[in-house]
Amino acid sequence: EAGVAQSPRYKIIEKRQSVAFWCNPISGHATLYWYQQILGQGPKLLIQFQNNGVVDDSQLPKDRFSAERLKGVDSTLKIQPAKLEDSAVYLCASSPGWVSGGLTDTQYFGPGTRLTVL
Amino acid sequence: AQTVTQSQPEMSVQEAETVTLSCTYDTSESDYYLFWYKQPPSRQMILVIRQEAYKQQNATENRFSVNFQKAAKSFSLKISDSQLGDAAMYFCAYRSGYNNNDMRFGAGTRLTVKP
Repeated sequence: EAGVAQSPRYKIIEKRQSVAFWCNPISGHATLYWYQQILGQGPKLLIQFQNNGVVDDSQLPKDRFSAERLKGVDSTLKIQPAKLEDSAVYLCASSPGWVSGGLTDTQYFGPGTRLTVL
Repeated sequence: AQTVTQSQPEMSVQEAETVTLSCTYDTSESDYYLFWYKQPPSRQMILVIRQEAYKQQNATENRFSVNFQKAAKSFSLKISDSQLGDAAMYFCAYRSGYNNNDMRFGAGTRLTVKP
């Protein structure tokens, strides 16, 4: 089975510019997550989708970050305008969610997008 | 709020030897799940092992096993017969059983495997 796909893998932008990241989860996975991983730290959850609805975006800086998951499949994360402190790896993950037999919460991660803001 | 602490920023092990990575967590909840994830230099995070808090038996996956001490809130990962491919960042993570959205990661431990 194909894994979680993300693009681009690397992005370098100037501060105050805009940037967008794309994620394609594993087919059939209901839950999609976006994480921010700053160098030297563990991932921090930014937003979680269940199908095409937002479950949790409490840690998403909504003044500059936005995310959507149209049709409950692919997702995009946007930053506008970017700040220096946004430099990080942005990880997308998906999990099956509720399946027969119970909750399957194992998260499968994509390779990430490394963002550098100059 | 739940916190996850990995007190060893870096660890090193000789190939074929055994190494233990430490993780402690702080929670007032009784229902939760603990995970160890591996992140090789390519950056794709992979689940290594998962433990349900209500299970007393320690989880094992081939060469990987955990020592889950619920009262001490400790969740260490033991890697036996270390291989060069085990070199990676290892993250301990906690997920609430009451709030499926609440997944917390530790800062990670970088494991080096010496040939």
